[in-house]
Amino acid sequence: GQSLEQPSEVTAVEGAIVQINCTYQTSGFYGLSWYQQHDGGAPTFLSYNALDGLEETGRFSSFLSRSDSYGYLLLQELQMKDSASYFCAVDKGGKLIFGQGTELSVKP
Amino acid sequence: ETGVTQTPRHLVMGMTNKKSLKCEQHLGHNAMYWYKQSAKKPLELMFVYSLEERVENNSVPSRFSPECPNSSHLFLHLHTLQPEDSALYLCASSQDRVRTGANVLTFGAGSRLTVL
Repeated sequence: GQSLEQPSEVTAVEGAIVQINCTYQTSGFYGLSWYQQHDGGAPTFLSYNALDGLEETGRFSSFLSRSDSYGYLLLQELQMKDSASYFCAVDKGGKLIFGQGTELSVKP
Repeated sequence: ETGVTQTPRHLVMGMTNKKSLKCEQHLGHNAMYWYKQSAKKPLELMFVYSLEERVENNSVPSRFSPECPNSSHLFLHLHTLQPEDSALYLCASSQDRVRTGANVLTFGAGSRLTVL
């Protein structure tokens, strides 16, 4: 089978750095994506790693290590508006398989 | 209208009703998806359409019936649902292309379904 594991909840303070991990058990995928979903809203694309290493997009960075079956999303300079759910997803060619999501709460 | 639009946003139905969810994308994409989102569970892929042909049916019960009349519209017809089918149903679209980069999905805001 295929599964992705993420922590269910993470809490951090404004201005801090937080890392959301994603471990997976699947084979043969094109890359690892991250999506953000605010309460009541649509999931929106954040970042994608096709190759091992770090991809940086502003305050957000994403990392992939295929040998470790592991990736993470790093959020820097946290803001209150970053409070949301974050999903990792493997790209299986024409379809995305999602993890159960991590609810991030940013406190003042 | 821009992006991916889903209607209705909220739907309450009895187990014997027949209803439909509608999705429309204005992005020129050629692939469309239905996902089910339940509390504390991963987004579950239900159906994938590429170039208006169904390419994936992820073991979804026959009480859910998709329809893709053209590349801009996707429907999910609902019939004889169960209370456990209550969830947020998300539609998404993407540009299905040669694997040169991320398969980026653009999601609609979802249709919140409650089955009584």
